Amino acid sequence: DTEVTQTPKHLVMGMTNKKSLKCEQHMGHRAMYWYKQKAKKPPELMFVYSYEKLSINESVPSRFSPECPNSSLLNLHLHALQPEDSALYLCASTTPGGEGKLFFGSGTQLSVL
Amino acid sequence: KQEVTQIPAALSVPEGENLVLNCSFTDSAIYNLQWFRQDPGKGLTSLLLIQSSQREQTSGRLNASLDKSSGRSTLYIAASQPGDSATYLCARSGGYNKLIFGAGTRLAVHP
Repeated sequence: DTEVTQTPKHLVMGMTNKKSLKCEQHMGHRAMYWYKQKAKKPPELMFVYSYEKLSINESVPSRFSPECPNSSLLNLHLHALQPEDSALYLCASTTPGGEGKLFFGSGTQLSVL
Repeated sequence: KQEVTQIPAALSVPEGENLVLNCSFTDSAIYNLQWFRQDPGKGLTSLLLIQSSQREQTSGRLNASLDKSSGRSTLYIAASQPGDSATYLCARSGGYNKLIFGAGTRLAVHP
């Protein structure tokens, strides 16, 4: 299994809503990432988890809250988002330290109304 | 500031042409250089990864080279096909596989 699975594929939420994005991989990877991609722009790193511990937070606003409950799962909890947070949210994984290929999921397209 | 630049921004070619996509980066202290493909509204698919100690990698019709001293990487696509139409992104890694992406080259191959 060489897939990174993200759910949901599409999400529409209001600014007062609380929602969560989910990412799952069964490749035994111990490094997992959240990226944000605005339309026609390159992906930008948000968070890096290594061995289930947060190792990088790229100064992301607290309305985005990541969680890594185990080595296969990565969640991104969303609360009080703004319309400018509308974007494609991508999850990725790889083997930590080995600087290997990143495997990306197909993303969650988020619209904040 | 670490920057990655891709040229050209867009490319439209007839089927069968051999293509060269260029990527340049400002910091030569990289761990690796990766090339990805992205279809509209989709995730990224890893195409080739070149470790900092390597000069090139090949996969099928794709060949990527890396010249750290000049801060350049090139993706060569042989005998292009309409199915190659997508955005191609290069990304440099500076530890933790923390990738910094270029803006991409949007490729259209028409029959």
